[in-house]
Amino acid sequence: KAGVTQTPRYLIKTRGQQVTLSCSPISGHRSVSWYQQTPGQGLQFLFEYFSETQRNKGNFPGRFSGRQFSNSRSEMNVSTLELGDSALYLCASSPDRGYSYEQYFGPGTRLTVT
Amino acid sequence: SQQGEEDPQALSIQEGENATMNCSYKTSINNLQWYRQNSGRGLVHLILIRSNEREKHSGRLRVTLDTSKKSSSLLITASRAADTASYFCATSSGTYKYIFGTGTRLKVLA
Repeated sequence: KAGVTQTPRYLIKTRGQQVTLSCSPISGHRSVSWYQQTPGQGLQFLFEYFSETQRNKGNFPGRFSGRQFSNSRSEMNVSTLELGDSALYLCASSPDRGYSYEQYFGPGTRLTVT
Repeated sequence: SQQGEEDPQALSIQEGENATMNCSYKTSINNLQWYRQNSGRGLVHLILIRSNEREKHSGRLRVTLDTSKKSSSLLITASRAADTASYFCATSSGTYKYIFGTGTRLKVLA
């Protein structure tokens, strides 16, 4: 099976702009989670989607949003970008066999805000 | 705040030696997982241990879990240069949300 894919891999944006990142999960996986990774804060959970429904979200401002489509592909959007949003954004999918499931991560999108 | 805190933050060993890293967490969990990340790339799942398990093995990996102490350890035996990476623990309390620790940077010298 193909792994989790994320597009684009690298992105440079200016403060105040908005950005949309895309994630395609492994075929058959219905759960998609998003994480932000920075040197200072480590890996921070953004949100998790299952069957187009957001089941949980982390402590991020409303500028961060996401959605999931009927084919399980997911997008996350960050509006009004700030310098502090520069990070590696990771998407992970899982087969969702209840609470105990491993996550399969994509390579990430490296976002730089200038 | 981080649920998991790994210790040590960085570890440097010679090839062939064993590497042990520890993870402590704060609240009760449903399961705990360990992941490896190579230099700014995606994470790779290594092993999952449920809250009712005490020890699991996978190849050269051994994971222990002590729920009374809210801690876990990952042992990599006979380390190789290819094991050089950052290692993270992640905990789930059954809310479809994983909390990752701060990570241990392991460097294996050839």
